[in-house]
Amino acid sequence: QLQLQLSGPGLVKPSETLSLTCTVSGGSIRSGSDFWGWIRQPPGKRPEWIASVFYNGDTYYNPSLRSRVTILVDTSKNQLSLNLSPVTAADTAVYYCARRAESGSWLYFDYWGQGTLVTVSS
Amino acid sequence: DIQMTQSPSSLSASVGDRVTVTCRASQSISTYVNWYQQKPGKAPNLLIYGASNLQRGVPSRFSGSGSGTDFTLTISSLQPEDFATYYCQQSFSNMWTFGQGTKVEIK
Repeated sequence: QLQLQLSGPGLVKPSETLSLTCTVSGGSIRSGSDFWGWIRQPPGKRPEWIASVFYNGDTYYNPSLRSRVTILVDTSKNQLSLNLSPVTAADTAVYYCARRAESGSWLYFDYWGQGTLVTVSS
Repeated sequence: DIQMTQSPSSLSASVGDRVTVTCRASQSISTYVNWYQQKPGKAPNLLIYGASNLQRGVPSRFSGSGSGTDFTLTISSLQPEDFATYYCQQSFSNMWTFGQGTKVEIK
């Protein structure tokens, strides 16, 4: 059973860098044609897609966040990471990582991490 | 960006009711719609992909339909564990977007 485990600080100061790591277990991050996604959800709001990354580093970004986002993949540790900088209070959200799977031409997130609340506050 | 608009934003229903949630895309997206269920404090859970394909392990009382701009999620007989928020999401463009959600509450 594929599992995704998020880790990182729950509190970040304005203008600083939000850094999260997603560790994948029960499968390889290099598996097949799977991309891996980052999604966030501000409290009480809809999810917002941040980016999707392939193990070789190919990445699709949400244009509204592109200038502030860095996505890295460490295949040796089966991990992906998200850096968002600089942050403001508007970046307060629950952050998720997820596997982007495919069936034919249909793409979807089928496995999700547990989510971690990151609050931006001084 | 492709905008996804759900209706209603919330609904009240009883156990055993048939429930329908609608999602409209701002442009034609063929059948590139997924549906997720989210319970408080939990990650979204995939129910339907490709507009009408039931994800493995999801009960058959859930079904999806539609193509182009209009899509529906139907729960044929609402169960106590189905009270949650439901989101549609499009994967037609590289910029994935979600609907605002429909909260299904107990009547």
